[in-house]
Amino acid sequence: DTEVTQTPKHLVMGMTNKKSLKCEQHMGHRAMYWYKQKAKKPPELMFVYSYEKLSINESVPSRFSPECPNSSLLNLHLHALQPEDSALYLCASSQDPKYYGYTFGSGTRLTVV
Amino acid sequence: SQQGEEDPQALSIQEGENATMNCSYKTSINNLQWYRQNSGRGLVHLILIRSNEREKHSGRLRVTLDTSKKSSSLLITASRAADTASYFCATDADMRFGAGTRLTVKP
Repeated sequence: DTEVTQTPKHLVMGMTNKKSLKCEQHMGHRAMYWYKQKAKKPPELMFVYSYEKLSINESVPSRFSPECPNSSLLNLHLHALQPEDSALYLCASSQDPKYYGYTFGSGTRLTVV
Repeated sequence: SQQGEEDPQALSIQEGENATMNCSYKTSINNLQWYRQNSGRGLVHLILIRSNEREKHSGRLRVTLDTSKKSSSLLITASRAADTASYFCATDADMRFGAGTRLTVKP
């Protein structure tokens, strides 16, 4: 298995909803990442997990809450989002960023209404 | 601070021509990576070049790295309409992406 799987592919949620995005990989990668990408912009790094511990948090608003329950799974919990949070959310993983590239999932297209 | 910064921001060429895009970065790196993104999809890893390498090839892709100038270039030879996409570079230092180069290959 050489993929990063993200679910759901599309999500529409209201501003009072709580939802979660899921990311899964079975390549034994120990670093996992969340990125947010707005239309016609580059991906912006949100969170970095290394060995299941949060190592970088880019001062993302607390309405985004990451969770790494094990080495294969990375969740992004969403609560009280704003319409400007509508974006493509990308997950990536790497075996070791010093030596290897990153494998990206196909993303979750999130719309906040 | 942002690492990879690509130029040009947009490039339009005819099928069969070569496309060259450049990337600059700011700090010491172990490697630099190039990615392709088709509209609204995830990024696809194209090639990784290590800091002790100067040039690397993969099919129609050729990547160079100049650590003294902190810059890299990606050359796509004999371009095809299917190469139409955005191209990004990133380094292992912080895995941030620059604005990218939007390549359009006209049939």
